[in-house]
Amino acid sequence: QVQLQESGPGLVKPSETLSLTCTVSGGSVNNNFWSWIRQPAGKGLEWIGRVYYTGSTNYNPSLNSRVTMSVDTSTNQFSLNLRSVTAADTAVYYCAREPPHWGGSDYWGQGALVTVSS
Amino acid sequence: QSALTQPASVSGSPGQSITISCTGTSSDVGGRNFVSWYQHHPGKAPKLMIYAVTNRPSGVPDRFSGSKSGNTASLTISGLQAEDEADYYCSSYTHSDTKIFGGGTKLTVL
Repeated sequence: QVQLQESGPGLVKPSETLSLTCTVSGGSVNNNFWSWIRQPAGKGLEWIGRVYYTGSTNYNPSLNSRVTMSVDTSTNQFSLNLRSVTAADTAVYYCAREPPHWGGSDYWGQGALVTVSS
Repeated sequence: QSALTQPASVSGSPGQSITISCTGTSSDVGGRNFVSWYQHHPGKAPKLMIYAVTNRPSGVPDRFSGSKSGNTASLTISGLQAEDEADYYCSSYTHSDTKIFGGGTKLTVL
C-alpha cells in the first residue's frame, strides 16, 4: 500500500520560503507524477504543480514565478519550495501521486497545515 | 486560467441519483480527456472517484460514474447513501499541461 507523508515547518514568516518534503513509502517514485495541492481554510483545492520522476515539472501559472519542485529517487522523496510567501499562502498542503495517463491523483498525504505569520 | 464552474451545492434523498456538473472551456474539459472527480470529507485527504473522464479507481463503487459532453463534465451518483455526503471537486488538465480545479460542490444527503 502506497503511503505519502508531508513534512516541514508549520509556521513560516512572510517573505521567506515555504519548504515541504513528501516521503513515499510502499512504492517507488519512479514512473509516476508527483503533485502538490493546497487548500486555504474555507476555500477550494488549488493545484500548485507536479514533478515527474525524471525531474520534469509543470507549475500553476499563477505561482510559476515562486515555485520549485524536485524529486529524489535515491530517497524516494519529492519536495516543494514556495518563495516570498504571504498570508495568502496559508493553507493545508497535500502531496499526491498521479499515475501517467490518469490525470488524477490516486494516493494522497494526510495534509500539512502551513501558516504564514510573523 | 480560471477555475472550472461547479454548482455550489446539490442535495438528494437516500436511494436517489444526483448529477454534479463541471463546466470549462475547449482548452481544458472540452479539449482534454483528463477530467477527474474527488470526494473530500473535511479534515481528510481528498479521494479520487473518477479519472480520465469515465474511469473508476479500484475500490470505488460503481454507483459513481463520470461523463463528458462538449465543455461540460458530469459526475453522477446513483443510489445515494448517507456516507456520500461530502464536498466534490472536478479537475481537468489544460492544453498547457497545467491542472485546474472546480470551485467544489457540497453534496447534502437529506
